[in-house]
Amino acid sequence: NAGVTQTPKFRVLKTGQSMTLLCAQDMNHEYMYWYRQDPGMGLRLIHYSVGEGTTAKGEVPDGYNVSRLKKQNFLLGLESAAPSQTSVYFCASSYSPPLDYEQYFGPGTRLTVT
Amino acid sequence: KQEVTQIPAALSVPEGENLVLNCSFTDSAIYNLQWFRQDPGKGLTSLLLIQSSQREQTSGRLNASLDKSSGRSTLYIAASQPGDSATYLCAVIDNNAGNMLTFGGGTRLMVKP
Repeated sequence: NAGVTQTPKFRVLKTGQSMTLLCAQDMNHEYMYWYRQDPGMGLRLIHYSVGEGTTAKGEVPDGYNVSRLKKQNFLLGLESAAPSQTSVYFCASSYSPPLDYEQYFGPGTRLTVT
Repeated sequence: KQEVTQIPAALSVPEGENLVLNCSFTDSAIYNLQWFRQDPGKGLTSLLLIQSSQREQTSGRLNASLDKSSGRSTLYIAASQPGDSATYLCAVIDNNAGNMLTFGGGTRLMVKP
């Protein structure tokens, strides 16, 4: 099992550019999440999905969009990147219900917006 | 809104010491609490998950306890080793936050040989 994988690992964008981060999991998990980690702010939830074809907003959803077209994949999109979106992005997944199971995290994507 | 605090923010100990990391949360109505380890530049690795009905969980040299009523959890590491050096994060899911984990700021641990 590869677990949770993320691509790319690093990316530098200019303000206004767009990009998509891909998360894939091979554990047949129902739930998937996108977090961002910033110094002094800890990890915060951006969006999550409770199953294929569903998405929901987390704590800091503005400026991001997500899609869950396949159960194993969860995409995070930035339509017009801003310097405030410079961060490390983590994807996670868990079995259902998430209250009873651990969340498994990917290795992260380090994004810099100049 | 749930707030999770970890004290101390950083800790340096000599190899072999037993140590305790602290985590406190403001809203005691939690479903579960999870402890993670994060190595520099890496993702999070789940260490222990404690359900709200449990008081502790053990895995090898790690023991996590939970006192919901006082809003506290501790992670005990026995016989620390240099390989334990990492940042340790606790996170809770509470009754009011759906599926969202609320994280503490972490404790950065350095174990010196």
